[in-house]
Amino acid sequence: AQRVTQPEKLLSVFKGAPVELKCNYSYSGSPELFWYVQYSRQRLQLLLRHISRESIKGFTADLNKGETSFHLKKPFAQEEDSAMYYCALSSTSGSRLTFGEGTQLTVNP
Amino acid sequence: GAVVSQHPSWVICKSGTSVKIECRSLDFQATTMFWYRQFPKQSLMLMATSNEGSKATYEQGVEKDKFLINHASLTLSTLTVTSAHPEDSSFYICSARDPLQGNNEQFFGPGTRLTVL
Repeated sequence: AQRVTQPEKLLSVFKGAPVELKCNYSYSGSPELFWYVQYSRQRLQLLLRHISRESIKGFTADLNKGETSFHLKKPFAQEEDSAMYYCALSSTSGSRLTFGEGTQLTVNP
Repeated sequence: GAVVSQHPSWVICKSGTSVKIECRSLDFQATTMFWYRQFPKQSLMLMATSNEGSKATYEQGVEKDKFLINHASLTLSTLTVTSAHPEDSSFYICSARDPLQGNNEQFFGPGTRLTVL
């Protein structure tokens, strides 16, 4: 069974501080991991995925298969980063996504 | 980018009535669409996978006779909540994959807020 865990429901940091949103998963095969973001009053949108190994809006995430983690990091948080962040997992052969519970990030001025 | 729309954005209905929610892919053809349900301050829970031209695949615990899904064309899937009751009140979100993109990225609609009185 696929499972995604985001241990922090709420995370609050100050502008310019580093931020890390934790995500752990359990899956027996080779997973495909995503981070989705939902800004206030907007739809869910893809932030990044592990296979592309890219940095979007200063965020990066590395898949650590040994620790079964896919933590989202940004060295200097900005106020506009305040949003709900969801970690999600898909099998490489399938298409259904399993979402974590989400972390509400608040970046204070 | 790929755009998914939902209609209506919100609906209020009386207990016992049926409500239909539409999900459309506006600039791509989606062979697969997904329906999620989201309760306040909770995550998205997949209800069913909608496949164009075939029956939907429902997740465990989701009543297929309660939540009717029809995916009659490559750009439209509908979710009908039959005989709605107050406990069906929720935020319903659809998403779609663009098969031409060759990855598992899903594009999400804006959601439909259903309130059953």
